[in-house]
Amino acid sequence: LAKTTQPISMDSYEGQEVNITCSHNNIATNDYITWYQQFPSQGPRFIIQGYKTKVTNEVASLFIPADRKSSTLSLPRVSLSDTAVYYCLVGTRNSGNTPLVFGKGTRLSVIA
Amino acid sequence: DTEVTQTPKHLVMGMTNKKSLKCEQHMGHRAMYWYKQKAKKPPELMFVYSYEKLSINESVPSRFSPECPNSSLLNLHLHALQPEDSALYLCASSQVWSTASNEKLFFGSGTQLSVL
Repeated sequence: LAKTTQPISMDSYEGQEVNITCSHNNIATNDYITWYQQFPSQGPRFIIQGYKTKVTNEVASLFIPADRKSSTLSLPRVSLSDTAVYYCLVGTRNSGNTPLVFGKGTRLSVIA
Repeated sequence: DTEVTQTPKHLVMGMTNKKSLKCEQHMGHRAMYWYKQKAKKPPELMFVYSYEKLSINESVPSRFSPECPNSSLLNLHLHALQPEDSALYLCASSQVWSTASNEKLFFGSGTQLSVL
């Protein structure tokens, strides 16, 4: 199972760009990298998913280097409402492994 | 409709009670999941249903009994719970559960369960 490592917490001021890096050294060839956002007392929400290079949507960008052993979620110009926990998931479907396991996540606090 | 609806939002029960959590989705998804989340911890997978059949049981105690009556509904029956079972119970769905790893999970808002 591809284990992920993220910083436990990060602080940022409003209006700044925030980059959260996830390490996944054991990523398998067919694995995608998926990021979720979770607010207190709510279920996680899908943000972005990628396989290699760069992916961008209306919410975030995801940068994946060529070796795919890490990925960086980039949130442009954060606001107070971006305060949440961000999870990086990498799926491995070997026999007996569960499909999507959440790591400890990164708790982002945005300060005014 | 991209929603997963969970009821009730809050539930308080005694250790001798029997209760059920309900989850519904109308996105045509054929995989549904139950997760348990304790405060300030990540969600932990409990069960996976694929095409209404139980595919994964993550060694969950028998006091938790899942049921998938049809492709849109998922229930979690609770009986003789312990105070340490108090947590946020999350339901999720995805299009399928397959060997591909690019699943995107859609989560409900959860049921906050307190066991007294």
